[in-house]
Amino acid sequence: QQPVQSPQAVILREGEDAVINCSSSKALYSVHWYRQKHGEAPVFLMILLKGGEQKGHEKISASFNEKKQQSSLYLTASQLSYSGTYFCGTGYLIQGAQKLVFGQGTRLTINP
Amino acid sequence: DVKVTQSSRYLVKRTGEKVFLECVQDMDHENMFWYRQDPGLGLRLIYFSYDVKMKEKGDIPEGYSVSREKKERFSLILESASTNQTSMYLCASRPFSYNSPLHFGNGTRLTVT
Repeated sequence: QQPVQSPQAVILREGEDAVINCSSSKALYSVHWYRQKHGEAPVFLMILLKGGEQKGHEKISASFNEKKQQSSLYLTASQLSYSGTYFCGTGYLIQGAQKLVFGQGTRLTINP
Repeated sequence: DVKVTQSSRYLVKRTGEKVFLECVQDMDHENMFWYRQDPGLGLRLIYFSYDVKMKEKGDIPEGYSVSREKKERFSLILESASTNQTSMYLCASRPFSYNSPLHFGNGTRLTVT
């Protein structure tokens, strides 16, 4: 049930753009995006609930496609602070509660 | 600020020992989760709980059990630790609302020798 993330790793120079994809074979109830820096806990970025939704501010944003089977995270004009591992998490309803499972992560390295 | 506290940052146990990992949250969240994190495998869900005494298996529950006797505390139990359970364990909590984020603890790095 784990969503599939791509790419697994990406190396950029500061100022370049990146796109991280998250997909599932089944429609998802929701998509969460988190960033984790080495040795730290994952930190929440955003949640998307509706098909066709787009969210975020100009530098970091995300979309959720109409069929709710794919989400993409967009990092524009990347900064050094964007380095880390990005995880998408997807929700499944069980007993009225939402089980959250995560992809394998995308390691983003930003070089000066 | 929400605080999710895991009792130990580092833990070393021997094969066959019974191991308890404790997690406490201070925001009255209904849902609590245990994940393990291994390189290249991401965050894998072990168990989650949606209320006191209520639990559901995640994707990799084998070798683990959980206990939630009080709303603020969610314990992960390794009945008989094995070397393949050496990993980083992350606890998280969130309120019942579907548009609420997870709040993670700082993790427990467990080594089983």
